[in-house]
Amino acid sequence: DAGVIQSPRHEVTEMGQEVTLRCKPISGHNSLFWYRQTMMRGLELLIYFNNNVPIDDSGMPEDRFSAKMPNASFSTLKIQPSEPRDSAVYFCASSLGGRGVTGEKLFFGSGTQLSVL
Amino acid sequence: GESVGLHLPTLSVQEGDNSIINCAYSNSASDYFIWYKQESGKGPQFIIDIRSNMDKRQGQRVTVLLNKTVKHLSLQIAATQPGDSAVYFCAENRGYSTLTFGKGTMLLVSP
Repeated sequence: DAGVIQSPRHEVTEMGQEVTLRCKPISGHNSLFWYRQTMMRGLELLIYFNNNVPIDDSGMPEDRFSAKMPNASFSTLKIQPSEPRDSAVYFCASSLGGRGVTGEKLFFGSGTQLSVL
Repeated sequence: GESVGLHLPTLSVQEGDNSIINCAYSNSASDYFIWYKQESGKGPQFIIDIRSNMDKRQGQRVTVLLNKTVKHLSLQIAATQPGDSAVYFCAENRGYSTLTFGKGTMLLVSP
């Protein structure tokens, strides 16, 4: 099992540019999560999908952020336009259960280190 | 120790010692708890979990203790090794809600 795969591992961009982060969840997992990690705020949930449908996007900072899951094996998180305060590590995670399952552990990818100059 | 929502504390131990990392959770209705380990440059990795109907659960070299009366969770690592150096997060959830993560405790193991 390859685990959750994220790309790119590192992204350096200039303010105002569009950034797209990609995630491939573990095969067979029904839920996918996007987190952002900073020293100040720790791990913050941005959005999560169940069976490719966005369930809770209340953590998405603002309209500059959008996420899609066109199929069960792929998701993107897009920031347009990017700002220096978006600099963080972005993690994707997946879990086996659906909405009817409680207490599901998440499996995380290695993250994308984003630096917006 | 650690409290969900507070700054990142650090625990320094010698190789071979037992380590105890603490977590004070906030929601008395939480019914599932989990510990993650995050090494530098990597994503969090699952260590062990426990449900609220249990007080203790053991894994390989790790034990999680849950005290619901005082809303306290701890992770015990036996015979700590340099490879255990990492940031450790506790997380909680209730029902169908998503996991809420604490900000972590850094464990430094010196040889």
